Amino acid sequence: EAQVTQNPRYLITVTGKKLTVTCSQNMNHEYMSWYRQDPGLGLRQIYYSMNVEVTDKGDVPEGYKVSRKEKRNFPLILESPSPNQTSLYFCASRPTRARGNQPQHFGDGTRLSIL
Amino acid sequence: RKEVEQDPGPFNVPEGATVAFNCTYSNSASQSFFWYRQDCRKEPKLLMSVYSSGNEDGRFTAQLNRASQYISLLIRDSKLSDSATYLCVVTYSGAGSYQLTFGKGTKLSVIP
Repeated sequence: EAQVTQNPRYLITVTGKKLTVTCSQNMNHEYMSWYRQDPGLGLRQIYYSMNVEVTDKGDVPEGYKVSRKEKRNFPLILESPSPNQTSLYFCASRPTRARGNQPQHFGDGTRLSIL
Repeated sequence: RKEVEQDPGPFNVPEGATVAFNCTYSNSASQSFFWYRQDCRKEPKLLMSVYSSGNEDGRFTAQLNRASQYISLLIRDSKLSDSATYLCVVTYSGAGSYQLTFGKGTKLSVIP
């Protein structure tokens, strides 16, 4: 089954304790992306990757890091989490080499609470 | 800054009603347009792509007006299961980058 898998689905942690949210897709998509969703602010892009070893900042990259060593994986790293990073996070992927209107496929989401 | 604007609602409509959402975008070079549906605390799911000629999928019709820079979604014969937040999505790609911008969503509640 074609899917985007995020882990963990839920995490409660404390300020300053490094954490990584993993994202994996099995569709051989070149493009992957991370979003956070907050009430009243909608979905905002954190980082995206056009392909392996190619990453770029989105609208709200501060406090986050990403890496793209393999095509299928795009982990989101919070080196020193702070309470303002409490949010619902989504990973997404799409093919970029295909023609036409190609939508994104989203993971199920990760709810992070930073105390 | 590239913006995508939607009326946040909520739209409270009775079953069987027809409801329309509009979405405006500021980047005239935008290339692809989508409507996504998001249920509470769930991931966004593609509802339909939006094509220049307009397109229909059952009770749902999407339209694009490039001159006025807006897209619309029409839902006919609303069902209770249509209750969700509808997100307008606009994309632009060029020079090795790909920009995707979400609207903040319009909440729809279909009432028995």
